Amino acid sequence: AQSVTQPDIHITVSEGASLELRCNYSYGATPYLFWYVQSPGQGLQLLLKYFSGDTLVQGIKGFEAEFKRSQSSFNLRKPSLHWSDAAEYFCAVGLSGYALNFGKGTSLLVTP
Amino acid sequence: DSGVTQTPKHLITATGQRVTLRCSPRSGDLSVYWYQQSLDQGLQFLIHYYNGEERAKGNILERFSAQQFPDLHSELNLSSLELGDSALYFCASSRENTGELFFGEGSRLTVL
Repeated sequence: AQSVTQPDIHITVSEGASLELRCNYSYGATPYLFWYVQSPGQGLQLLLKYFSGDTLVQGIKGFEAEFKRSQSSFNLRKPSLHWSDAAEYFCAVGLSGYALNFGKGTSLLVTP
Repeated sequence: DSGVTQTPKHLITATGQRVTLRCSPRSGDLSVYWYQQSLDQGLQFLIHYYNGEERAKGNILERFSAQQFPDLHSELNLSSLELGDSALYFCASSRENTGELFFGEGSRLTVL
């Protein structure tokens, strides 16, 4: 069965520290991969996406993600967090023309 | 601003009632997706329409229905509402077959 797993439900990181959020998927074929961010009371905003090619992709707000086919993973990283990065982060996977399948999300708290 | 508009933003109603949620996709987007977000289930795909035709169904209850009109706006109808239907309902749209979705800010439904 197709699935997306975000192992970390809550993460607390100090401002200025680095971040890595994990995402693993199980799909029959290599899907398209996405990270979305949701701030309180807001919709989901696309951070970055991977379709093919270079396995390290850059996104908005200083985020990047690396696709590792052998591990079926698409982990999100940021070298230095800002307090405004506190939000809910969702990994999503899908195939062309189909709805995205979302992970349960990781809630990020950034402490001073 | 994603360009996707959802109304109403908030809705409070009673069990057994019926409500309609409205979505206007980004200009030019032919696909509309509906998702339900709740604390326990996360983001669940409900239904996908493409240019007026139903393309795929996800975890949509029989009490729920949707349609997409010739002007491409979509409506999600929820009937015989139960307490458990309280959730945030998102509409998303896309233009290309890349899986990239643009989300509205959601309609928060509270069933009392």
